[in-house]
Amino acid sequence: NAGVMQNPRHLVRRRGQEARLRCSPMKGHSHVYWYRQLPEEGLKFMVYLQKENIIDESGMPKERFSAEFPKEGPSILRIQQVVRGDSAAYFCASSPYQGTLNTEAFFGQGTRLTVV
Amino acid sequence: AQSVTQLDSQVPVFEEAPVELRCNYSSSVSVYLFWYVQYPNQGLQLLLKYLSGSTLVKGINGFEAEFNKSQTSFHLRKPSVHISDTAEYFCAVSERGDYKLSFGAGTTVTVRA
Repeated sequence: NAGVMQNPRHLVRRRGQEARLRCSPMKGHSHVYWYRQLPEEGLKFMVYLQKENIIDESGMPKERFSAEFPKEGPSILRIQQVVRGDSAAYFCASSPYQGTLNTEAFFGQGTRLTVV
Repeated sequence: AQSVTQLDSQVPVFEEAPVELRCNYSSSVSVYLFWYVQYPNQGLQLLLKYLSGSTLVKGINGFEAEFNKSQTSFHLRKPSVHISDTAEYFCAVSERGDYKLSFGAGTTVTVRA
């Protein structure tokens, strides 16, 4: 049973470009959470999604950021018109049951985004 | 809202020596507490967690942590480290009734021979 798969592992984008980060949850998991780790800081919650639904996006920046988790395929975190401040590690976690990030979730390896 | 402070950003330690990583939290309600480890080029892995019961929690790879409610701390310890324990360690807290984890900034442990 493969773990949570994130790709790409490293992504370099020029300012103004779009970044697309993918997360494939563990088999049987239908709940996905995205976290961001800025340099020298802890991981910060961004968004919680269930298949075809956004459950909680309280941690998402209001502009340029969006997330989806379609019925088929991976969850996508999309950042439009990237700026240097978006450079960070983005982690995805998945869990099998609703609202069990803190007790049942597994994390992926993260995608390290560098904006140049 | 809760917050987590990891008091040491870098901890160098010699092989077979003990190590303690400090974590303090603030919260107005009861919490669950966690330690995660991130080995180089790998994802976050759960080391141990405190949900209830005994305040001394044993985890994987010989690590343990003690929940001290009066001091709002959850320090991580290992009596004898190996080179393979070189990694970044994150303390996290979750308020009971909420699913979200709040993480500290991490402590990088470097084990030298």
